[in-house]
Amino acid sequence: EDQVTQSPEALRLQEGESSSLNCSYTVSGLRGLFWYRQDPGKGPEFLFTLYSAGEEKEKERLKATLTKKESFLHITAPKPEDSATYLCAVRVQGAQKLVFGQGTRLTINP
Amino acid sequence: DGGITQSPKYLFRKEGQNVTLSCEQNLNHDAMYWYRQDPGQGLRLIYYSQIVNDFQKGDIAEGYSVSREKKESFPLTVTSAQKNPTAFYLCASSHGTNYEQYFGPGTRLTVT
Repeated sequence: EDQVTQSPEALRLQEGESSSLNCSYTVSGLRGLFWYRQDPGKGPEFLFTLYSAGEEKEKERLKATLTKKESFLHITAPKPEDSATYLCAVRVQGAQKLVFGQGTRLTINP
Repeated sequence: DGGITQSPKYLFRKEGQNVTLSCEQNLNHDAMYWYRQDPGQGLRLIYYSQIVNDFQKGDIAEGYSVSREKKESFPLTVTSAQKNPTAFYLCASSHGTNYEQYFGPGTRLTVT
């Protein structure tokens, strides 16, 4: 069964304290890994798509990387406005849908 | 501005009543999706549609129905057969099923 697991469930950091969120997956054939940001009570906002191991994408303080078994979302010198839940999803070979992880709730304290 | 709209933002219904959630997009996307989000769980796919007048069941389609009569619109009906309908419902769209999905703001449905 295709599965996506995100860790940790929740992470609390001080402003400026860099860290990484993890998304590990066991799927039959990866056809894309997606990162989203979701603020409370709102729909997810698309951040990145990664397709192959070794690929990296950056946007402001965020950098996403991909290996054959997992993806990391690195947050450099975060600010309070980076506080949100970050969702990871994968598209698998032959499927028309995304499989989502449960998300990591990130809190950045000023 | 292009985007996805969902209405209403909050919806309250009595048990046993059907309710329809609206989803409209002006992104000219071919594919549209409905997800359900519950606390502590990942998004779960209810239905998706790749083209007008065609749709497929997702992982949790029981108790739900959809239609796709126009490219821009993909309404979801939560029927009285859905045993636990209280949830946050998200609509999404994409150029095709191989592309990233963009989400609407969501509708929070409460059934009592």
